Parts: sequence; structure tokens; C-alpha cells
Amino acid sequence: DIQMTQSPSSLSASVGDRVTITCRASQSISSYLNWYQQKPGKAPKLLIYAASSLQSGVPSRFSGSGSGTDFTLTISSLQPEDFATYYCQQSYSTPGFTFGPGTKVDIK
Amino acid sequence: QVQLQESGPGLVKPSQTLSLTCTVSGGSISSGSYYWSWIRQPAGKGLEWIGRIYTSGSTNYNPSLKSRVTISVDTSKNQFSLKLSSVTAADTAVYYCARVILSLGYCFDYWGQGTLVTVSS
Repeated sequence: DIQMTQSPSSLSASVGDRVTITCRASQSISSYLNWYQQKPGKAPKLLIYAASSLQSGVPSRFSGSGSGTDFTLTISSLQPEDFATYYCQQSYSTPGFTFGPGTKVDIK
Repeated sequence: QVQLQESGPGLVKPSQTLSLTCTVSGGSISSGSYYWSWIRQPAGKGLEWIGRIYTSGSTNYNPSLKSRVTISVDTSKNQFSLKLSSVTAADTAVYYCARVILSLGYCFDYWGQGTLVTVSS
């Protein structure tokens, strides 16, 4: 099975900061990597699919990069509504999908 | 606008079977462009993929749950369902249904709001 790790597990940042979250797969997953944002009590929301494609309606301050085993999610200028937990998810392997453990972004 | 809505008992006794249904509106579950999936999240923890079903009825399950999980689809009602047998307290979680879009790298593009299922006697 493909295992996903994320770093850091949490971070504190200020509005306007540039934030980078890393996701690593235990084996190559090509570009089959997606990113989600989850706020407390809400369902996850798709931000980035196929490693670097921005989902419709998602602000352009969010971007994704990487391929193979190493991926990053970047928020170019953190906004108050961006404080949330972020999950990566691989969709390469059969039978199934695996999520990373999450990165919580909170206010410094 | 596609919407997904989970329904089912919020309380299940240990050793019994958890049963949930996801009703899809705003689109056809019979479309060949999607899988339909279940994901769960224990309180304060991360997301765990449970399994998926295609409109044909073909399924894939998380190996860690495979022996206890059944996902089925009812195209006439535009619904798909989850059954998880022999539940324990460890199965207490918010359960989400979600759509997997094949053309966007198999990502979850629409989610239900989630339903809390507690396993307790």
C-alpha cells in the first residue's frame, strides 16, 4: 500500500504569510496527488487536483507542484479564511485512495 | 449543482451493522464519468477512505476494512449505500459520501455534509 506523509503536522502563521506544506508518497504516484482544505465541522473541499491544477472557484493564491513522490501546496499570501487543516490524497494506486495525516494551519 | 446527502442511524450497537445511504441530486449516479465513494473521520483525526463503487456495481475497498464492508448502488433511486458489519467503538466517526471524478485525476470533487455515527450500547 502507498503511504502518505505530510510536514509539518501543524504550523502557526500570520495573515499575509507565504505558507508551504509538503506531502510525500512512499512510492512514485506520478501526478496523482490532490489537496483538500477542511474547516471544523465541515466536509473537505477540493483545492488542487492532479498535483498542480487549480479546482474551479479556488483562489489563485493556492498552488500545487511536484510529481513522483514529493509534492507541495503553497498559499502565497495567507488570508483569514485559510486557517484550516489541509490534506493530501493519492489517487494512483488500486484498490484505493490514501490520505495524508493532515497539516493544521492556525493563527500565530 | 451536484449535491450529496448522507442518511442513516446515528447510533449503532457494538457487533451490529452500520448502514448508511447517500442520495445524489443534481446529476445522475449512472454517469460513467464518476466513482461514488465513502470516507470516514473519527473525531479529531484524519480522513480514511472506505471504498468506492462504479455505476456498473464494480467495487474496491480499503484492505483494512474489506472483510466488513459492502457498498452498493441503486441507480433507480440515484443512491449508493454503505454497510459495515461487526462494528466496534473504533468505527465511531463522521461518515462522508463523495463523488470521484475520473477526468480530474480521480479526486473527490463533491462531498456530502457528513453524518456522525456513534457505536455504543
